[in-house]
Amino acid sequence: AQSVTQLGSHVSVSEGALVLLRCNYSSSVPPYLFWYVQYPNQGLQLLLKYTTGATLVKGINGFEAEFKKSETSFHLTKPSAHMSDAAEYFCAVNPGSGGSNYKLTFGKGTLLTVNP
Amino acid sequence: DADVTQTPRNRITKTGKRIMLECSQTKGHDRMYWYRQDPGLGLRLIYYSFDVKDINKGEISDGYSVSRQAQAKFSLSLESAIPNQTALYFCATSDSGTGGTEAFFGQGTRLTVV
Repeated sequence: AQSVTQLGSHVSVSEGALVLLRCNYSSSVPPYLFWYVQYPNQGLQLLLKYTTGATLVKGINGFEAEFKKSETSFHLTKPSAHMSDAAEYFCAVNPGSGGSNYKLTFGKGTLLTVNP
Repeated sequence: DADVTQTPRNRITKTGKRIMLECSQTKGHDRMYWYRQDPGLGLRLIYYSFDVKDINKGEISDGYSVSRQAQAKFSLSLESAIPNQTALYFCATSDSGTGGTEAFFGQGTRLTVV
């Protein structure tokens, strides 16, 4: 069974500062990894995903994440935070052992606050 | 119009009542899911369906049932609602394919059981 741990339920940064949201996963098979963002009163939308190939993945709104197999991590970063980045962020894993097993397992989420 | 539409968006119901949450999608995806979101717990999978004839329990299916009426419609029922089912419910869809396929979410239904 797979699981996801997001370190820090709440992260607060200043506008213009680096954003780092941490995600560690466990999976018995090579995983597919995702970051989703949820803005207030909205559903989730995909920020970026890792499937295969390049381990540094770029997503929307200037976010990127690096898959590190040795550390079982998939941390999300953005060099310079904007006020509009304030939202809740969810890391998710799919075991990737076959399409029939596709069901995302989510972390508990990290609420990002951006201070002016 | 949204690709994944949930109705109602908000609902207050009384303990013991039966309630149905509906989801429809225009993306043409085979796979549909119901998740529940609680503060501090993230999203947890209630039920999922890989096609009209395939329904599977997720990690927290007790107290819930589902119906896949068509490829585009997947409804979630609470047969006898209880207060700890108060939560934000999301429907999602994905295309069949590899595990790297993106899931698309509806706007959510906020359910309050009093």
